[in-house]
Amino acid sequence: EAGVAQSPRYKIIEKRQSVAFWCNPISGHATLYWYQQILGQGPKLLIQFQNNGVVDDSQLPKDRFSAERLKGVDSTLKIQPAKLEDSAVYLCASRPNRGGTEAFFGQGTRLTVV
Amino acid sequence: LAKTTQPISMDSYEGQEVNITCSHNNIATNDYITWYQQFPSQGPRFIIQGYKTKVTNEVASLFIPADRKSSTLSLPRVSLSDTAVYYCLAPNRDDKIIFGKGTRLHILP
Repeated sequence: EAGVAQSPRYKIIEKRQSVAFWCNPISGHATLYWYQQILGQGPKLLIQFQNNGVVDDSQLPKDRFSAERLKGVDSTLKIQPAKLEDSAVYLCASRPNRGGTEAFFGQGTRLTVV
Repeated sequence: LAKTTQPISMDSYEGQEVNITCSHNNIATNDYITWYQQFPSQGPRFIIQGYKTKVTNEVASLFIPADRKSSTLSLPRVSLSDTAVYYCLAPNRDDKIIFGKGTRLHILP
């Protein structure tokens, strides 16, 4: 079974530029999560999708971050404009359905804002 | 959402059994206790999940007392490759998966 795919693996941008991350969850998984993990900290939930609807985006900085999950499959997370404090690893995870057990994580995208 | 508390870091030696305890005083009746493992430069990986008593799989055991206010992850005979961060979670009914700071386990030769 293929895992959660994320791209790019690494990205370096200058502050005030924009960047987008892509996630392809495991086939058939209805729930998709995006996390931000700053070095030395646990992953912070940014947004949770159920199919193509948003379940929770309370921790998403909506003035600069946006996310979508068209057709309930792939998802993109965008930052515009980026700030230095956005430097982090962005993780995508998927889960079979609500009330399911384990979530499967991708390897993440490491973003460096200079 | 149940708040979990676990030690910031632990050291152990190869071949030892490691027990990491997590407290979750306000866990809800229907919440499961779930543990994830994270190696550097990788996403978290599910290890084990339980509701009460004891659960064992090929990786670890999870002990949950009757009051469910704490749980203990037990890693038998650890090796250097078990060096990682271990997270204790109690996902709620909305399927939010909220991570704390985790426990940094360092295995020494």
